[in-house]
Amino acid sequence: DTEVTQTPKHLVMGMTNKKSLKCEQHMGHRAMYWYKQKAKKPPELMFVYSYEKLSINESVPSRFSPECPNSSLLNLHLHALQPEDSALYLCASSPIFTDTIYFGEGSWLTVV
Amino acid sequence: GENVEQHPSTLSVQEGDSAVIKCTYSDSASNYFPWYKQELGKRPQLIIDIRSNVGEKKDQRIAVTLNKTAKHFSLHITETQPEDSAVYFCAARTGNQFYFGTGTSLTVIP
Repeated sequence: DTEVTQTPKHLVMGMTNKKSLKCEQHMGHRAMYWYKQKAKKPPELMFVYSYEKLSINESVPSRFSPECPNSSLLNLHLHALQPEDSALYLCASSPIFTDTIYFGEGSWLTVV
Repeated sequence: GENVEQHPSTLSVQEGDSAVIKCTYSDSASNYFPWYKQELGKRPQLIIDIRSNVGEKKDQRIAVTLNKTAKHFSLHITETQPEDSAVYFCAARTGNQFYFGTGTSLTVIP
C-alpha cells in the first residue's frame, strides 16, 4: 500500500480565512513533505519533516504553518493567503531519505 | 545546491514511435533518480527509478539510463500510446532533498 491521503480535495478560501490542509499515511514513513505546484510546473518544496521534526523550511511565508502531530499525520495551516497562493498542494512521504517519495492526490486551493 | 535541467520542454510523437527525455544534474552526491508521470489534474506518479550504482533499468516499454560521469540520465518510452500523453518530471535526490526537472509535456498523436 503506497497511499497518502489528503483532505480536502478542493478548497476555496477568502484572504481573511483560516483553513487547514490535512495529510495522512500509514506506510510507516518517517519523512513527510509539503509541496506547492502551479500548472505545468514542477512541484516546489515547502517543508520537510523527519521523525516529526521540521528539518527543512524553504523560506516559506509565515502565512503557511506546518504541523506534524504524529508520525502519520501532517497538517498545513493557512491564514491570510494571497490569490497567488492558489495552487495544487501536494503532501508526500518517504522512508527516511533513502527512497522515492509518494505523493497524495493533492488539495486544489483557490484563494479569492 | 543541486540543479536539474530537463529537455525538451514539449515533445510530440506519432503513436508507435519512441520518445526520449533527457535530464542533467550538477551534484555528484545525487544518488537516486526517479521519473514521475503527471496526467492533467492528477498527482505525480512514479513510473521508474534508477540508483547511482546502476547504469540502466527497464520496465516493459519504459527504460531509464544513467551516465554518472556525464551527470545525465534519460527516459526512453518505446511504442508510445495515446495514454502516455502527460507531463513527465525527472528528479534527483541528494540526502533529504529532491530536486525536480522543469518537466516535459509529451503528446502522443494517434
